[in-house]
Amino acid sequence: GNSVTQMEGPVTLSEEAFLTINCTYTATGYPSLFWYVQYPGEGLQLLLKATKADDKGSNKGFEATYRKETTSFHLEKGSVQVSDSAVYFCALSDPTRAGYQKVTFGTGTKLQVIP
Amino acid sequence: GAVVSQHPSWVICKSGTSVKIECRSLDFQATTMFWYRQFPKQSLMLMATSNEGSKATYEQGVEKDKFLINHASLTLSTLTVTSAHPEDSSFYICSAPVGGRLYLETQYFGPGTRLLVL
Repeated sequence: GNSVTQMEGPVTLSEEAFLTINCTYTATGYPSLFWYVQYPGEGLQLLLKATKADDKGSNKGFEATYRKETTSFHLEKGSVQVSDSAVYFCALSDPTRAGYQKVTFGTGTKLQVIP
Repeated sequence: GAVVSQHPSWVICKSGTSVKIECRSLDFQATTMFWYRQFPKQSLMLMATSNEGSKATYEQGVEKDKFLINHASLTLSTLTVTSAHPEDSSFYICSAPVGGRLYLETQYFGPGTRLLVL
């Protein structure tokens, strides 16, 4: 079956540090890949996505590239801010059923950025 | 963007009682909503797909008589945990796609409901 593996947290960084959160996946077919972010007390929000190999998703300074050869979708940001403190979920969708796409989530990685 | 709300945000109940959780799309209509469950330090697991006007579709291993889903209108889906037991304690999250069921990238999530069964 499909699965998503992401690095365990929590990850603690100083402000302006470089961020990498690793994510690898296992899937049949050609999944779409996503990063969601959950700020404290809020629902999950889509951060970025990529729908095919070599696509790069980007948003709010975050980037991730769909690497089919390594089955990876690592999240990166060049300079984190305190406001980036949140839980980040890597996810994939697999159109296995007509009418909707089933999402498989990773376990989430908590990021804490300290001033 | 679109907003999905959940009520209550947290609930504590006694073992054997039933608990209803509401999921509302506040500024759009949702013919489909999804219910997820999240255990501490684990990923979100899809429990079921709620379809307006028809029966929900449950994932393998999810007891449909235990977790009753009703999608009576285009803006409201409810999840009722019947005869709750301590092992049902978890974080329940709903989501709704915007723009049609195939457009997963516009799926909006509620803030979640934390259930504690004593």
